[in-house]
Parts: sequence; structure tokens; C-alpha cells
Amino acid sequence: EVQLLESGGGLVQPGGSLRLSCVASGFTFSSSVMSWVRQAPGKGLEWVSTIKVGGGTTFYADSVKGRLTISRDDSKNTLYLQMDSLGVDDTAIYYCVRDPTGYGGADYWGQGTLVTVSS
Amino acid sequence: QSVLTQPPSASGTPGQRVTISCSGGSSNIGKYHVYWYQQFPGTAPKLLIYIDNQRPSGVPDRFSGSKSGTSASLAISGLRSEDEADYYCAAWDDSLGAVFGGGTKLTVL
Repeated sequence: EVQLLESGGGLVQPGGSLRLSCVASGFTFSSSVMSWVRQAPGKGLEWVSTIKVGGGTTFYADSVKGRLTISRDDSKNTLYLQMDSLGVDDTAIYYCVRDPTGYGGADYWGQGTLVTVSS
Repeated sequence: QSVLTQPPSASGTPGQRVTISCSGGSSNIGKYHVYWYQQFPGTAPKLLIYIDNQRPSGVPDRFSGSKSGTSASLAISGLRSEDEADYYCAAWDDSLGAVFGGGTKLTVL
């Protein structure tokens, strides 16, 4: 059974940092393209970032470029999202997803972790 | 404002056929595959349609997807009360990465 378990969310002040983790199981993580997708309270889905197999190629939404960094540790079956210079607009549930096509098709989603940016 | 345009709401009565549209452009839907997701309140989205018109295992054949040019549609036939949810379309975009529609709230009357 495929499982994606996010952690690391919480309350952070504007300008602060947070690191999200997503532990994967039930599939070959090292062979999978992975992404983060977020959803602000009461709003729609927003793609955040994608990392290709091997970790050498990454993509970011313009809204997070330069502030959020996606990475992976295939030895630990873990996906990360380092979040720096956070603003109130970054408040959202962050979902870890598997994207087998590498082009926006997420076949498995984690349960999400809530990040709240507030003073 | 979302790159992919969906109607904010749709509705139908049990047994009816409902369609939800998703309009994009030549850099996204016109070039890449479309995906549809279903989301119930308080839960993570679930993949409903992939590669324009394919259903993952376990998704009823009441759900179908289609694409023509720069637009796509999700059709739900034999509408049931448990289909009441939010529906999102998505595709890759040459400049923006993955893009989503704004979502359509489906109400079963």
C-alpha cells in the first residue's frame, strides 16, 4: 500500500523558516518524481514544486522561487521542503504527492501538514 | 486567478449527467495531458482521471474525461449524492509548471 506521511508543519512567524518532511512507503521512491502541492484555507490547489528522479532537476512555482527548496533523500525514502522567508500567503496545507508522469499528474497524496504563518 | 478556468459551481439531481469544463491554452492543455481530482471537505484530493481520459483502478466508470484542443471536460453520469465534492483539473504548463483550475463545487440537489 502506498503511503505518504508528511510532518514538520506548525506555526511560524513571518520571515521564519520551517522544514517539511514526507516519508514514502509502498513503492520505489527513488524511481518516482515527487512534488509538493498546497492549499490555503478555503482556497483551491496550488502546485509548489517538483523534483525529478535523482534530484538533479527541480521546478518551482513563481510564488515560491528563491524561498522554498525541494530535495530528496532516496536512502531514507524521504522528500523535503525547506521553507525560508515565509509570509502570511504561505499559510496552507502542504501535500506531498507522487507524480509518475512528472507533468502534474499526482496519483498518490499524503494527508497533508498545516503550515500557519502568523505573528 | 487560475491559469485553467473552471466554473465555480455545478449542480444536478440524482441520476443526471453533469459536465465540468476546464479551459486552458496552447501552452498547457493544448500541449499536455489533463488530470482531474476529487476532493471532499477536510480530506486530501484523489486522482479521478489521468492522461485526459483514463480512470485509475477503483474509480467508477460513471466518471469520464475528454479533451479537445485547449479545453477538457469531466463528465459524471448517473449522479449520486456521494459525488458531491470539489473537482479540480490540472495540466503542465510550459512556463508555469503544473497548473490547476480554480475548482468546481458540485452540488447534488
